[in-house]
Formats: sequence, structure tokens, C-alpha cells
Amino acid sequence: GAVVSQHPSWVICKSGTSVKIECRSLDFQATTMFWYRQFPKQSLMLMATSNEGSKATYEQGVEKDKFLINHASLTLSTLTVTSAHPEDSSFYICSASAHSGGTYEQYFGPGTRLTVT
Amino acid sequence: AQKVTQVQTEISVVEKEDVTLDCVYETRDTTYYLFWYKQPPSGELVFLIRRNSFDEQNEISGRYSWNFQKSTSSFNFTITASQVVDSAVYFCALDPGTYKYIFGTGTRLKVLA
Repeated sequence: GAVVSQHPSWVICKSGTSVKIECRSLDFQATTMFWYRQFPKQSLMLMATSNEGSKATYEQGVEKDKFLINHASLTLSTLTVTSAHPEDSSFYICSASAHSGGTYEQYFGPGTRLTVT
Repeated sequence: AQKVTQVQTEISVVEKEDVTLDCVYETRDTTYYLFWYKQPPSGELVFLIRRNSFDEQNEISGRYSWNFQKSTSSFNFTITASQVVDSAVYFCALDPGTYKYIFGTGTRLKVLA
């Protein structure tokens, strides 16, 4: 149980274009999903918290107009990188939150590797 | 401040050696959760353990064991008789009761045959 998928697993796009990444909870409903970014050989940095039916909450320093997050249903959140540039190349990981053992635990997707050329 | 520190950036061991990965955390909350994740080259995070702040019992799972000490704010991870397949980056993480995880910088473990 508690499986999270991401699509695509990797994507290459040209500078200036936009790319959408999907995050789905396959066997549970998630009112909250999280988006992380991980640069090579670095840790995971939380970008934003996405709640179903409401606007995402972005961490300090993350441009909300550049990283559009939509959480339209209890099983799907999307991250759109708008007008992508090479510096946006990174590994993007989502997680979906579910109640477990007295708290809400995050279940992580397999990640999406974005390369902007 | 809430923070997770993994001072070991990279460790190399020879197969069958034991290795301990250190994790020190900071939080003022009395209820919190600690985690360890493995990230192999594929990138997918593999959940290893979750421990809440009220349970200081050490845990053993096969070759893996964890030592949680609130007195020193540490949650160390030991791999016994390491294997090449254990080579990965290992992250310690803290949920200070906000459901948001704070990750350490990770420790890259290389197990040499």
C-alpha cells in the first residue's frame, strides 16, 4: 500500500518551454502533497506544500509564478515548471501524505529528472 | 531552530565491515518523528525506519540497527556486515510535528568489494 507514482520519470525540454510533472497517489487519498527539488549530490529541499482544493504554500525563495502547482483531486498534484531554464534542471520528487501510526507520514514518488537544454 | 546534521559526507568501507552513519537533530518540540531513507543511484527514496520521540528503544532489522538517544539528540544507523548493494546515499530526516520533513545533507556510503 501507499504507492506514489510520478510521470514522466525523466524529461528533456528546451529553454523557454514549460513542462508538467504529475504526482499520483495510487492506492490512497492524499489531502496534502509535497514537492521537493534535489540538485546533484545535494539534499532534498522542500519547494511547496500542496493541499487539495486550495492554493499551494511555497517555501521561502521558491518562485510561485515559475513553479505552478495544482492539486485538483485527492490523488493528483501537478507541478509545472514555466519558461524553464538550464538552472531549473534538477531531480524533482513529490510525496503524498497519509495518516499512519498516529501521524501523517509522507510517501515518496520515484522522482522526475528534468534536463533543460 | 529545527535542523538535521549528518557530518559524514562520504564513507568508504570494505565489504563485510560494519559502518555507522551519524545523525544529530535539533528541535524544541516534544513530539517529533525521525526517519532514515536510502537513495540508490536510481534516485528513488527507500523508506528504512520511522521512530517517534517517545520511543527510545533501539531497533534491529536484519543487518540494520538504529540507536536513538534523546539525551544527545542523535539517531544513528548501523549496517552490520556491509554489502556492495548497500552503496547509496542515506538521509536522516526530522518531522517536528508539522508533517513537513527536514532532511539532513546525506551520507554517501561506498561499499567496496
